[in-house]
Amino acid sequence: DQQVKQNSPSLSVQEGRISILNCDYTNSMFDYFLWYKKYPAEGPTFLISISSIKDKNEDGRFTVFLNKSAKHLSLHIVPSQPGDSAVYFCAASPDKLIFGTGTRLQVFP
Amino acid sequence: DVKVTQSSRYLVKRTGEKVFLECVQDMDHENMFWYRQDPGLGLRLIYFSYDVKMKEKGDIPEGYSVSREKKERFSLILESASTNQTSMYLCASGARGLGQETQYFGPGTRLLVL
Repeated sequence: DQQVKQNSPSLSVQEGRISILNCDYTNSMFDYFLWYKKYPAEGPTFLISISSIKDKNEDGRFTVFLNKSAKHLSLHIVPSQPGDSAVYFCAASPDKLIFGTGTRLQVFP
Repeated sequence: DVKVTQSSRYLVKRTGEKVFLECVQDMDHENMFWYRQDPGLGLRLIYFSYDVKMKEKGDIPEGYSVSREKKERFSLILESASTNQTSMYLCASGARGLGQETQYFGPGTRLLVL
């Protein structure tokens, strides 16, 4: 039973446009959420996080939105750049991190 | 900057061999983790440790063991490698304070078991 779900395995976006990556979770006890970015043959890199007491956190081009009532998390990248092409994992935590299956983002010129 | 290093980037082993994967972190983190990443399955937790000489099973511990003799080092052991253990193995570390914890990952070891 997957507690953290990324239902879109891939997403393709034109350079300069907005990328929106989505994540759903099932456990209302989760209180901390993170996004990681992973390039091929490298380890995941921490991108941005949000606590359940907030509904938005912004860091440069990256913004994470949390909708607790819908148990939904999203990552917005504006503007998207070719270097953003990677696999993005969301993760949730009451203690250990539980990861989604990832969404492969491709940003094309 | 947090640095997590893994002993090998690529490994090729034969079925039945004993395999050691080493991980070292330089941030004095209490918590360390081993994951494997497989296509379509995301990152799955194998084992973790919240302190020296302490270990806890994750979601998929079968066929694996771990060792944490020093705070900075966490080793993953495949006692008898099998082909279904071919995967990308990722080590991570994080500071104490469960919940609100950010984990930092090493570069990964891609293991092929023939």
